[in-house]
Amino acid sequence: ETGVTQTPRHLVMGMTNKKSLKCEQHLGHNAMYWYKQSAKKPLELMFVYSLEERVENNSVPSRFSPECPNSSHLFLHLHTLQPEDSALYLCASSQDPGDSAYEQYFGPGTRLTVT
Amino acid sequence: GQNIDQPTEMTATEGAIVQINCTYQTSGFNGLFWYQQHAGEAPTFLSYNVLDGLEEKGRFSSFLSRSKGYSYLLLKELQMKDSASYLCAVKDSNYQLIWGAGTKLIIKP
Repeated sequence: ETGVTQTPRHLVMGMTNKKSLKCEQHLGHNAMYWYKQSAKKPLELMFVYSLEERVENNSVPSRFSPECPNSSHLFLHLHTLQPEDSALYLCASSQDPGDSAYEQYFGPGTRLTVT
Repeated sequence: GQNIDQPTEMTATEGAIVQINCTYQTSGFNGLFWYQQHAGEAPTFLSYNVLDGLEEKGRFSSFLSRSKGYSYLLLKELQMKDSASYLCAVKDSNYQLIWGAGTKLIIKP
């Protein structure tokens, strides 16, 4: 149990669908992250929220839309995705992102397939 | 640009020792992390280095040389359960983690 949960664990969606990924952390952290993990590629940071405010948005296409209603919950809303968006989407949380020593705790990920 | 390099795959024998290297070029340095990721699972934190030298934690040790932009993860007394991918990541001047692509470690009996 890592303290970070994600649902659903697997998702298959067509290019015209709208779906949402959910992440919840039970660790009392104040920062949450969305990452994309593709095979044999480095983890790509998509969004960072600190104290419920977005502090990072690494040129992610607008078809990905994050939402952070409180410090424990993070969503990633998906619409009109492309096949190249198929990947493992990982959520993570940490204490103060501005402190170098704090590690990130990851959820198990959502395996997304876009058909 | 920022870059983290580590070998794609390594093979070692149960009971042996293996060293996984990581070199980095980043804009600033605020620490280096090693994570372990078993297939289909979440990455889990292994170690953190911010000063030069060796950090030992049980069977796992991590070394850092900031002047060389180099780190290694040393795994001793290898067990079959150590078969996993090992991810190297560096916090840059903006405290953003820059990740390597990971090293897949295969342990053979």
